[in-house]
Amino acid sequence: AQSVTQLGSHVSVSEGALVLLRCNYSSSVPPYLFWYVQYPNQGLQLLLKYTSAATLVKGINGFEAEFKKSETSFHLTKPSAHMSDAAEYFCAVGSGKDDKIIFGKGTRLHILP
Amino acid sequence: GAGVSQSPRYKVAKRGQDVALRCDPISGHVSLFWYQQALGQGPEFLTYFQNEAQLDKSGLPSDRFFAERPEGSVSTLKIQRTQQEDSAVYLCASRPAGTAPGDTQYFGPGTRLTVL
Repeated sequence: AQSVTQLGSHVSVSEGALVLLRCNYSSSVPPYLFWYVQYPNQGLQLLLKYTSAATLVKGINGFEAEFKKSETSFHLTKPSAHMSDAAEYFCAVGSGKDDKIIFGKGTRLHILP
Repeated sequence: GAGVSQSPRYKVAKRGQDVALRCDPISGHVSLFWYQQALGQGPEFLTYFQNEAQLDKSGLPSDRFFAERPEGSVSTLKIQRTQQEDSAVYLCASRPAGTAPGDTQYFGPGTRLTVL
């Protein structure tokens, strides 16, 4: 069964600094990999999606993620953090075999002024 | 256009009460999903509909949980005899026709259920 591991339940970065949120998936390559963002008291918003068309995926709000099969990773980055990036971020996989999305436990991103 | 909507946004129930949570998917989306998100955790799959057919209910934690989508649009998640461990945010998501299983789902704001 597919699984997702997010390293670090909390990450703090200074405003303007690089954001790096780590995600590793289980060994079999899933058809879909996602990053979703959740702002307080809101639902999940899709940041970006990997579908094997390109290993570097660009998303909204300046975020991007790189798929690395050799490392079974799909880390999320943003060159310069903004205060508005403070939220919970979820890495997720869609297996394609059954119609469900499997989420990681989430990483809460804190932006320091 | 309008996204997925859920009501109520907040629900407080006494232990043992029944609750009903409503989801209005994006118009035209044939697939509808329910997830449970416990505090500090990621969402976990509960059940899935394609039109009115419930194709997967493997994630429902007990027979106190029941979901329906009788006309293939609005869905209701019902929890009978609520317990404190049912306290969570219940998220609804939908996926448009013509997309593959496992592809992007669009989420509503959730219903936060608190069982006292």
